[in-house]
Amino acid sequence: GQQLNQSPQSMFIQEGEDVSMNCTSSSIFNTWLWYKQEPGEGPVLLIALYKAGELTSNGRLTAQFGITRKDSFLNISASIPSDVGIYFCAGQFGNEKLTFGTGTRLTIIP
Amino acid sequence: GAVVSQHPSWVICKSGTSVKIECRSLDFQATTMFWYRQFPKQSLMLMATSNEGSKATYEQGVEKDKFLINHASLTLSTLTVTSAHPEDSSFYICSAVQAEETQYFGPGTRLLVL
Repeated sequence: GQQLNQSPQSMFIQEGEDVSMNCTSSSIFNTWLWYKQEPGEGPVLLIALYKAGELTSNGRLTAQFGITRKDSFLNISASIPSDVGIYFCAGQFGNEKLTFGTGTRLTIIP
Repeated sequence: GAVVSQHPSWVICKSGTSVKIECRSLDFQATTMFWYRQFPKQSLMLMATSNEGSKATYEQGVEKDKFLINHASLTLSTLTVTSAHPEDSSFYICSAVQAEETQYFGPGTRLLVL
């Protein structure tokens, strides 16, 4: 099935640094979602975006819905060890099924 | 709120046997449940969409006779992997939706077929 292009594929950063990742699509969506998945668990919803241009924060996380409706980014400020995991974007058009990104694996170096 | 559980959390079985995985929405009624499969270091791939009281809709390439889905109530969907083979070993994750709201995911079931 279709997947969204997510970059970077993996990141190794120092604790305290900011993190930025993005997701691009060839087709438009009217909902963008960001999930975090830890080993052996299901994805947990971090942020949901419903309007083009929308900028939403959840603690140290900030995500934006791109104006073209074909992209979204997620920023994490002042990273901490528990931020480790795989981050997935997902796009949805109407009530159709979710299309997931390829994932960004985040590793924090103490 | 919005808790989804799966049982079992992991299962090991012999090749040729069938395995049933349950997905429950604990504190809400799920009009729709989804079943995903995730291979190591890959993203989630949708297998099928299940609506209560009706037949599941399978994604292209997913064998409906091999992956039987039953959505008997608004809080329970089951996935049965029939005649499992080693290539069916994977992480199976369900999600549930109330009305047209956000999907909430279960914790996943790891299947290992020997």
